[in-house]
Amino acid sequence: QKEVEQNSGPLSVPEGAIASLNCTYSDRGSQSFFWYRQYSGKSPELIMSIYSNGDKEDGRFTAQLNKASQYVSLLIRDSQPSDSATYLCAVNTGGFKTIFGAGTRLFVKA
Amino acid sequence: AAGVIQSPRHLIKEKRETATLKCYPISRHDTVYWYQQGPGQDPQFLISFYEKMQSDKGSIPDRFSAQQFSDYHSELNMSSLELGDSALYFCASSLTRDRGAYEQYFGPGTRLTVT
Repeated sequence: QKEVEQNSGPLSVPEGAIASLNCTYSDRGSQSFFWYRQYSGKSPELIMSIYSNGDKEDGRFTAQLNKASQYVSLLIRDSQPSDSATYLCAVNTGGFKTIFGAGTRLFVKA
Repeated sequence: AAGVIQSPRHLIKEKRETATLKCYPISRHDTVYWYQQGPGQDPQFLISFYEKMQSDKGSIPDRFSAQQFSDYHSELNMSSLELGDSALYFCASSLTRDRGAYEQYFGPGTRLTVT
């Protein structure tokens, strides 16, 4: 079992719809959770960080964390074609080590 | 504010050669991370440094070494290069003391091609 698991996709949604990206992790002691967006050939860009159970909203993005279920998700409202990218879930398992999931490819159709 | 700077952006080496990648973190950031990302793969953590000391180690081959200098910049040294070392190498930095510890900001990457 991988430490951080994501559905590889691709996830295809129409423009204006809500895109829902999911991630599960195996280390119950994990404390910090991050979502990165990565365009092909580019570096990962931090979108959201979340540390406590519940929801955290930032513009069109909402991160949701459920530590009991070891589950973190990212919702993108009013999806735009420019949101088409690979979304990486990252989990800090303690210390300075952050484990990345394999990423979910999102396609937003115009 | 300037982001993480990496140099060179592209590097072509032959098998068994050595390569040195450089990373200049965001100003005041005290932690540097190195990642390797192969085509279609997620970033694999190699090594990190906090306040110039190695803070964690991931799947870094013994042929690779890294250090962080007094000005906080870091270098990844790669020897006896193999074809399989061809990848994007990212450096990231964070300000670990804040509550937002471990929020890593990535540089543009160095694309290493080994022929």
